[in-house]
Amino acid sequence: DAGITQSPRYKITETGRQVTLMCHQTWSHSYMFWYRQDLGHGLRLIYYSAAADITDKGEVPDGYVVSRSKTENFPLTLESATRSQTSVYFCASSERGSSYEQYFGPGTRLTVT
Amino acid sequence: AQSVTQPDIHITVSEGASLELRCNYSYGATPYLFWYVQSPGQGLQLLLKYFSGDTLVQGIKGFEAEFKRSQSSFNLRKPSVHWSDAAEYFCAVGPRGESTLTFGKGTMLLVSP
Repeated sequence: DAGITQSPRYKITETGRQVTLMCHQTWSHSYMFWYRQDLGHGLRLIYYSAAADITDKGEVPDGYVVSRSKTENFPLTLESATRSQTSVYFCASSERGSSYEQYFGPGTRLTVT
Repeated sequence: AQSVTQPDIHITVSEGASLELRCNYSYGATPYLFWYVQSPGQGLQLLLKYFSGDTLVQGIKGFEAEFKRSQSSFNLRKPSVHWSDAAEYFCAVGPRGESTLTFGKGTMLLVSP
């Protein structure tokens, strides 16, 4: 089916481990975004990408790495997970920048023990 | 500093009653304005957006929002709430010419019978 998908949907990992969250979209949207959602903070932008091989930091990038070798994929890596990274992570895509609707994936619930 | 404020963390409305969710922003110029809804365990879905022109915009599911420049507000309204409207609602702003959105912290809507 067309759309934006995230995997895994749920993940439990230990402190210090590396974990990668996957995001895939089938619309060939130029822009892709990673957010984290925490109680009391709403959605905060981690990283975004305007096109393949172009990425930029958002509000809370520390501890995260992204890459975008293909337009349709935008993985998010936690190189050494910490408990403070326990959160729900959402990927989104849009045709262009802020004037265009962002389409959200279903989210990944990550727990770091 | 640029900001988006949703003053109400929770709102409880009786089914059939009217609803107004508040959103205020602080930006140098009028940004693009959005309202998103998030049902439990799901990603965000766009309800409506304002770019320019008519300050009263209609969205999906019977929602509307009014842009008031003098008050830097973009409040969401619905004349008669249904139990299925129980969800979390996010206001978002996108500065013109930029690539990203800033989300408010959200308002949780509870609908009582």
